[in-house]
Amino acid sequence: KQEVTQIPAALSVPEGENLVLNCSFTDSAIYNLQWFRQDPGKGLTSLLLIQSSQREQTSGRLNASLDKSSGRSTLYIAASQPGDSATYLCAVRQGGNTPLVFGKGTRLSVIA
Amino acid sequence: GAGVSQSPSNKVTEKGKDVELRCDPISGHTALYWYRQSLGQGLEFLIYFQGNSAPDKSGLPSDRFSAERTGGSVSTLTIQRTQQEDSAVYLCASSSYRGHSPEAFFGQGTRLTVV
Repeated sequence: KQEVTQIPAALSVPEGENLVLNCSFTDSAIYNLQWFRQDPGKGLTSLLLIQSSQREQTSGRLNASLDKSSGRSTLYIAASQPGDSATYLCAVRQGGNTPLVFGKGTRLSVIA
Repeated sequence: GAGVSQSPSNKVTEKGKDVELRCDPISGHTALYWYRQSLGQGLEFLIYFQGNSAPDKSGLPSDRFSAERTGGSVSTLTIQRTQQEDSAVYLCASSSYRGHSPEAFFGQGTRLTVV
């Protein structure tokens, strides 16, 4: 059974810092991996999608990497801003349109 | 529509009553998923539809929970005889596989409170 772990569970950084969020998964036979952001009381917003054949994806100040063989992904946030404060969730898909398996998230606070 | 739409956004119900939660997926998306998020917990998978059929119902916590999807579009999650432990945010997502990797998009959720 696929299990997804995110470390740390919570992180507080001063504004302007670069930071890395970690995600690991137990079964490396994934189809793709998706990073989401969730603001309090809201739904999930898709940030980046990495296909199993890709090593990284970038969007603005965000960069996600994937090392499928070792079962790891990282989300790098450059020059963090208070507006980046949210919970970041990592999820993997085993195949096609099968359901995503989620980690418990990392709660990020960026202090002005 | 432009995104996944869920209704109602909030629902307060008395213990023992039945509730229906609705999800309108993104037009043309063939796959639809229901998840539950309890306070301070991660996302718990409930059920998944491909078209109108449900290949995976493994996450439904009890026989009080059921879901259907009609016309390959709207889905309804029904909870019968609600219990206080059913209180949670119920999230719906849809995705479409069009030859490249499917990406899931989520609605804003329905916050269910059972009193």
